[in-house]
Amino acid sequence: QKEVEQNSGPLSVPEGAIASLNCTYSDRGSQSFFWYRQYSGKSPELIMFIYSNGDKEDGRFTAQLNKASQYVSLLIRDSQPSDSATYLCAVGVAGNQFYFGTGTSLTVIP
Amino acid sequence: IAGITQAPTSQILAAGRRMTLRCTQDMRHNAMYWYRQDLGLGLRLIHYSNTAGTTGKGEVPDGYSVSRANTDDFPLTLASAVPSQTSVYFCASSDSPGVAEQFFGPGTRLTVL
Repeated sequence: QKEVEQNSGPLSVPEGAIASLNCTYSDRGSQSFFWYRQYSGKSPELIMFIYSNGDKEDGRFTAQLNKASQYVSLLIRDSQPSDSATYLCAVGVAGNQFYFGTGTSLTVIP
Repeated sequence: IAGITQAPTSQILAAGRRMTLRCTQDMRHNAMYWYRQDLGLGLRLIHYSNTAGTTGKGEVPDGYSVSRANTDDFPLTLASAVPSQTSVYFCASSDSPGVAEQFFGPGTRLTVL
């Protein structure tokens, strides 16, 4: 079983809709959770991070963490064509490295 | 501009040749990482260093070596390149391993023929 699992997609949503991206992880000792966005041919860039259970909002992005269910999600409201990218979930344990999911490809249709 | 630089941007290499990918960060981060990214397989950790002078093996270390002589530099060496090492290589750094975000360099696209 992989440390971090994501639905590879592709996920397609119409412009203006909410895109929901999901991630599960296996290590209950995981302490930090990150969402990266990666455009084709580019390097990953951080969108959101969350450490505590619940929701964290930043503009159009909301990260949700449920440690009991070992589940973290990213919601993108009012999706724009510029949001079309691959989204990587990363999970970290203090003093250790990150574990990355394989990514979910999102396409926002104008 | 603070960040991570990688060199070269891309390289075509004959099998059996030795190659060193360079990575330099100016953020004074403690931890540095090398990943390879292949279609459908995501980012896979090759080697890491939690602090200058120490290194560790990641998920796919075979055929690669690293050194961390100082805080800023973390070169990745392929001693004898093979076609299966064709990939995009990303270097990353973090202030606190496993806790703080990792910043990524622009990547090196390597083709081994």
